[in-house]
Amino acid sequence: QKEVEQNSGPLSVPEGAIASLNCTYSDRGSQSFFWYRQYSGKSPELIMSIYSNGDKEDGRFTAQLNKASQYVSLLIRDSQPSDSATYLCAALLASGGSYIPTFGRGTSLIVHP
Amino acid sequence: DAGVIQSPRHEVTEMGQEVTLRCKPISGHDYLFWYRQTMMRGLELLIYFNNNVPIDDSGMPEDRFSAKMPNASFSTLKIQPSEPRDSAVYFCASSLTSVSYEQYFGPGTRLTVT
Repeated sequence: QKEVEQNSGPLSVPEGAIASLNCTYSDRGSQSFFWYRQYSGKSPELIMSIYSNGDKEDGRFTAQLNKASQYVSLLIRDSQPSDSATYLCAALLASGGSYIPTFGRGTSLIVHP
Repeated sequence: DAGVIQSPRHEVTEMGQEVTLRCKPISGHDYLFWYRQTMMRGLELLIYFNNNVPIDDSGMPEDRFSAKMPNASFSTLKIQPSEPRDSAVYFCASSLTSVSYEQYFGPGTRLTVT
């Protein structure tokens, strides 16, 4: 079964530190990857998408993709308590001629003052 | 834009009753997705549509679940009959083809079946 795997955490970091969130995926043919943030009791919110190997930066967020290792990561610089949430990794996995958005179980991030 | 709109926000029903969840996607978006989220199973794709046509329904758990998209601005997810194990948060999301499935989620419907 094609999957997206994340460590459930919680990952606890002090305010101002770099938080590093990791994700692996099983479908070597997957081309599109996404990071979503979900606050408790709320809906997932898109943070970033990444399609090419390397880094993609947007403000305090950097997504990293390594297709050879089937690995995606999200770095959050200068972490703030407001960043405390669950971070969901998603990939488009090929299935029967269509692409299926598949989510990991999420990593809980706690940023403490 | 108002974003993805879902109704109702909360639904409590008794086992065996029919439940209908509703979704209005973001105007201009041509993909619509229905998800279910539980603590046990995480966020699971149930079905998705492109230009009102169902593309993949392999995630629909069983025949009790059905989904329709009669036009570009409205979709329903129906459960008949409902069971306690259907209790979950159901999300609708939409996206534009041109940005490769970057999805925008609605606020969700919290369903409780007693």
